Amino acid sequence: KNEVEQSPQNLTAQEGEFITINCSYSVGISALHWLQQHPGGGIVSLFMLSSGKKKHGRLIATINIQEKHSSLHITASHPRDSAVYICAVALIQGAQKLVFGQGTRLTINP
Amino acid sequence: ETGVTQTPRHLVMGMTNKKSLKCEQHLGHNAMYWYKQSAKKPLELMFVYSLEERVENNSVPSRFSPECPNSSHLFLHLHTLQPEDSALYLCASSQDLRETQYFGPGTRLLVL
Repeated sequence: KNEVEQSPQNLTAQEGEFITINCSYSVGISALHWLQQHPGGGIVSLFMLSSGKKKHGRLIATINIQEKHSSLHITASHPRDSAVYICAVALIQGAQKLVFGQGTRLTINP
Repeated sequence: ETGVTQTPRHLVMGMTNKKSLKCEQHLGHNAMYWYKQSAKKPLELMFVYSLEERVENNSVPSRFSPECPNSSHLFLHLHTLQPEDSALYLCASSQDLRETQYFGPGTRLLVL
């Protein structure tokens, strides 16, 4: 079993829908990251959070440390949001080491 | 554009070749990273450098040899690779360890 599990692995939705991607982890962490990877490979860091909730535009990330769970939400989804979304955790020991989930492939149809 | 560049963007090499991947960051960061992304597998950390010192070597085979001559540049020297080493190699940098990482576009490597 991976230390970081994401669900769903694939998600297809219509433009405008509210999107939720989940991440569960089984290790002690100092922070959790959400990343976005577009076709072609480039990765953009969306959020780094260690508690509570962060919002940036239409994106919202939440984390529950006790339950070892985080969610990434996208409101009013748009085709340009189509990408792979990756959850990664920074371990408490050796926090420079990120452990990655397998990613969630999101497709938003117009 | 994240401020992290990688060259080449694509590379095809034979198993007996020697090649190098280059990463350069223009952000004034102190930490740099190499990651490997194979098809159908999660990203894997390979190496971490902080202030030009290697702080993490994640059980990577010796046919991969990193070099960090200064805080702006990071190299990955490749020799006698195997076909299973074909992957996307991503470089990243951060202000310091534990800070948000900024990724380069990656080098897509094919080993024949």
